[in-house]
Amino acid sequence: EVQLVQSGAEVKKPGESLKISCKASGYSFTTYWIGWVRQLPGKGLEWMGIIYPDDSDTRYSPSFQGQVTISADTSINTAYLQWTSLKASDTAMYFCVRLNPMTGLQFDNWGQGTLVTVSS
Amino acid sequence: EIVLTQSPATLSLSPGERATLSCRANQSVSINLGWYQQKPGQAPRLLIFDTSNRATGVPARFSGSGSGTDFTLTISSLEPEDFAVYYCQQRRHWPLCTFGQGTRLEIK
Repeated sequence: EVQLVQSGAEVKKPGESLKISCKASGYSFTTYWIGWVRQLPGKGLEWMGIIYPDDSDTRYSPSFQGQVTISADTSINTAYLQWTSLKASDTAMYFCVRLNPMTGLQFDNWGQGTLVTVSS
Repeated sequence: EIVLTQSPATLSLSPGERATLSCRANQSVSINLGWYQQKPGQAPRLLIFDTSNRATGVPARFSGSGSGTDFTLTISSLEPEDFAVYYCQQRRHWPLCTFGQGTRLEIK
């Protein structure tokens, strides 16, 4: 069974750094793109970016380029999303997602979400 | 950027009724469109990929159709567990993708 298990909720202050994680299991981690989707409170879904763990090829949405960094550690089948300086506007739920070429490169598996709250 | 507009914003129906949700793109996305269902407090779930293909485990009452700029998700006979928010998503120019703003399907 494919599983994406994300790290727990975070409460941070503006200007602080943060790295959240997504541990994958049940499939070959290195051969599927894995990415992140943001959901602002009470709002819709926004694609942030994806990484191919086998070679670390990373693609970002223009809206998030330069704002976050996506990485992966193939030794522990884990993807990451990190910020160097959080803003209040980063308060959101963040989902990790797997892209499956057998399902039109749609997001066929989702993590449970990590709630990030940024407040002074 | 490809913009997806979903309508209606809210759809009020009763169990057993047929639901028709629309997703319109401002330019052609070919058949590279999917649909997701999100229930409160849960992650979204893939229902339909490439316009009309049901994802694994999705009941047959869910169907998708369309091409180019106009797409439809149909739920043939609503079950109580179908009341949720539905999002369409396009992936015409991979890796870029965009979501619609969502349609809330509520119990009448």
